[in-house]
Amino acid sequence: SQTIHQWPATLVQPVGSPLSLECTVEGTSNPNLYWYRQAAGRGLQLLFYSVGIGQISSEVPQNLSASRPQDRQFILSSKKLLLSDSGFYLCAWSRGSWYQETQYFGPGTRLLVL
Amino acid sequence: ILNVEQSPQSLHVQEGDSTNFTCSFPSSNFYALHWYRWETAKSPEALFVMTLNGDEKKKGRISATLNTKEGYSYLYIKGSQPEDSATYLCAFRDKLTFGKGTLLTVNP
Repeated sequence: SQTIHQWPATLVQPVGSPLSLECTVEGTSNPNLYWYRQAAGRGLQLLFYSVGIGQISSEVPQNLSASRPQDRQFILSSKKLLLSDSGFYLCAWSRGSWYQETQYFGPGTRLLVL
Repeated sequence: ILNVEQSPQSLHVQEGDSTNFTCSFPSSNFYALHWYRWETAKSPEALFVMTLNGDEKKKGRISATLNTKEGYSYLYIKGSQPEDSATYLCAFRDKLTFGKGTLLTVNP
């Protein structure tokens, strides 16, 4: 069976510090991978998605970047965090026909930037 | 920017009540409509993927309908139970655009 891991679970970082959140998927190959953010009072917003190693699509201009160094690893990064980067970050994976694919979400990382 | 609206934002019902809530989305460029349930301290979990106008899906006491021409989907819960308490999210494809969700609380 497939599992998806995210770490850390919670993170408190000062403004201007770097960020690295990691997501890994087990039990499947060549998944589509996604990073979402839920800011306070808002819905889930798609940040990045990847259909393969080294292939990253950015959905919104922002202070963040994503990388996919391995097939089942997806990393969300920032060089300098902003207060507005606070939120709940979810990683998800999917397989199957593009528009019918069900997404499977990880446990999430709660980030607080102070 | 696509607008996916869910209503109501929150809902309190008594155990045993049946309830429903709405997801509205753009009626153009429709590919699929997803429903997810997100319980507190857990990950969002897929309920349904709906693609055709008039689709009806059912999973236990939960069912959903889809009207792509007018751009809405209804989620129904029959005989609500406390374990149904969660935020119910809909998401619209082309790009997966999520609504803010409906927070359902079922009181025992």
